[in-house]
Amino acid sequence: EPEVTQTPSHQVTQMGQEVILRCVPISNHLYFYWYRQILGQKVEFLVSFYNNEISEKSEIFDDQFSVERPDGSNFTLKIRSTKLEDSAMYFCASSVQGAGTGELFFGEGSRLTVL
Amino acid sequence: GQQVMQIPQYQHVQEGEDFTTYCNSSTTLSNIQWYKQRPGGHPVFLIQLVKSGEVKKQKRLTFQFGEAKKNSSLHITATQTTDVGTYFCAGITYNFNKFYFGSGTKLNVKP
Repeated sequence: EPEVTQTPSHQVTQMGQEVILRCVPISNHLYFYWYRQILGQKVEFLVSFYNNEISEKSEIFDDQFSVERPDGSNFTLKIRSTKLEDSAMYFCASSVQGAGTGELFFGEGSRLTVL
Repeated sequence: GQQVMQIPQYQHVQEGEDFTTYCNSSTTLSNIQWYKQRPGGHPVFLIQLVKSGEVKKQKRLTFQFGEAKKNSSLHITATQTTDVGTYFCAGITYNFNKFYFGSGTKLNVKP
């Protein structure tokens, strides 16, 4: 069964360092998302991406965040200068169609710990 | 801004008891989805509801979408230990390509 894969599964970094989280969405999916989940809390929307550009972003997704799809398969989330409060599980998700028409397939997540 | 509230936050039940979680949106939704997240896992899609007043069943799970398309519920009949996890609703508005997740209801089932 096709699945969304994410790397790394866990990353520990020092505050102020740059982090890149990688995702390989399901191959025939066209819509890509990043969500984050602080331990024990709800899943929070960060950004949606379609046709090589951001289609929606939340207020959490400020200038320190960026996304790109550099090679047609990987979908990356970059955090330029990490803060303690960026510690969370980051989930990548993809869907065949946009919101409202199909399910989100989530990856296993990348746990980011900022020290 | 868009808010999707979910209650209760936690529910502890004895195996065999029923369980219900409720989801309420501040605005009308185009549709709503439900996800289950096992402890330490990632959200997994359960179902999507689209029509006003829609009711769908999956074995012991019953999902409802309110007539005004602003609320939804998930009911589990005769819970089992395999039902343990956090259940999230995710509402989608008509204009935006993003899902608003509810705060989740964490279900614990005692054998």
